[in-house]
Amino acid sequence: NAGVTQTPKFRVLKTGQSMTLLCAQDMNHEYMYWYRQDPGMGLRLIHYSVGEGTTAKGEVPDGYNVSRLKKQNFLLGLESAAPSQTSVYFCASSYVPGSHYEQYFGPGTRLTVT
Amino acid sequence: QQQVKQSPQSLIVQKGGIPIINCAYENTAFDYFPWYQQFPGKGPALLIAIRPDVSEKKEGRFTISFNKSAKQFSLHIMDSQPGDSATYFCAASSITQGGKLIFGQGTELSVKP
Repeated sequence: NAGVTQTPKFRVLKTGQSMTLLCAQDMNHEYMYWYRQDPGMGLRLIHYSVGEGTTAKGEVPDGYNVSRLKKQNFLLGLESAAPSQTSVYFCASSYVPGSHYEQYFGPGTRLTVT
Repeated sequence: QQQVKQSPQSLIVQKGGIPIINCAYENTAFDYFPWYQQFPGKGPALLIAIRPDVSEKKEGRFTISFNKSAKQFSLHIMDSQPGDSATYFCAASSITQGGKLIFGQGTELSVKP
């Protein structure tokens, strides 16, 4: 069991470039999440998905898009990167959040936008 | 609007000390309060969690104290060890509001040998 994996681990973008972060989980979890972590601000939810083919906005969705075409994968896209999107991005998954099941986090992707 | 406020931002204790991290919340609909532990370069991992129908929960050296009337909860680490050095996040969620976790700002704990 690999758990939650994220690719890439590191990335440097120039302002205006686009990229996609990939999250994969092998635990057959229904719910998946994308967070960003910034110093002094904790983890903030960007978008989440309650199942294959569904997505919803979180606390800070602007500038990001997501897709959940397969149950095990959750993609986070930046169409036109901005320096304010420099952050560490974490993907997480859980079985059923309605029962407050534990969220399992990936190792993170460190993104720098210059 | 920060719904979960965590303090202190950083904490240094000697080995064997009892660091205490505090969190306060505003939303009375919250019904689940987990603590996550994060080591450098890793993702957060669930450490311990409590529901508001109990005032204290212990798991090994880690204890959550919960004060529903004050809308506060705290993490105590007994007999702290250098291996406990990490960033700790409190969080809260509500089943009636989708179960999404709202995280505190994090506390960077350093336990000196």
